Amino acid sequence: QVQLVESGGGLVKPGGSLRLSCAASGFTFSDYYMGWIRQAPGKGLEWVSYTITSGSAIYYSDSVKGRFTISRDNAKNSLYLQMDSLRVEDTAVYYCARMTTYESSNYYYFDYWGQGTLVTVSS
Amino acid sequence: DIVMTQSPLSLSVTPGQPASFSCKSSQSLLHSSGKTFLYWYLQKPGQPPQLLIYEVSNRFSGVPDRFSGSGSGTDFTLKISRVEAEDVGVYYCMQSIQLPLTFGGGTKVEIK
Repeated sequence: QVQLVESGGGLVKPGGSLRLSCAASGFTFSDYYMGWIRQAPGKGLEWVSYTITSGSAIYYSDSVKGRFTISRDNAKNSLYLQMDSLRVEDTAVYYCARMTTYESSNYYYFDYWGQGTLVTVSS
Repeated sequence: DIVMTQSPLSLSVTPGQPASFSCKSSQSLLHSSGKTFLYWYLQKPGQPPQLLIYEVSNRFSGVPDRFSGSGSGTDFTLKISRVEAEDVGVYYCMQSIQLPLTFGGGTKVEIK
């Protein structure tokens, strides 16, 4: 079965950095787009970033562009999110999610999600 | 950005009764291909979101047939024919026709 396990969350000071990892299993990782979504405490869902199968194309929300970097290692079945210049408003649970498309539409959505890892940015 | 607006904010439902939630988008989610890129997720308490419905009306693997999605253009509905206790949580809609991918604010469902 599809499993996504995030790690790397924790407490960091404003301006600091953190690297999240997502270990995937139960499917052929290199065949799927992968993304990150976050959820601030008590709030709704916010898409953060996603990458295509090869990692050669990546997309970011405006709120993290220039500060966060998504990457993947298909040999290690892993997805990463390097978060720099962290702000208090980046405090959230970060979910890793697999992306898929229906009937090869080229429009992707999230079908499986990990349990999430909490990032707290506070002085 | 496409704004997704859900209503109501919360709903209290008696088990066995139907429930219905609305999701409206600020722009049409209908693509020139004829497909509409609207999805529904359920986030149960303490859990990550899980996919219920893709492209308006297709139930994801393992989703009970009491869940159904409908709508077109900018106006969408998720219906539960007979609510069960396990259906509690927050329901989110999401669009993927345009970046950034955006979610609605959610509808919280509680059981009476």
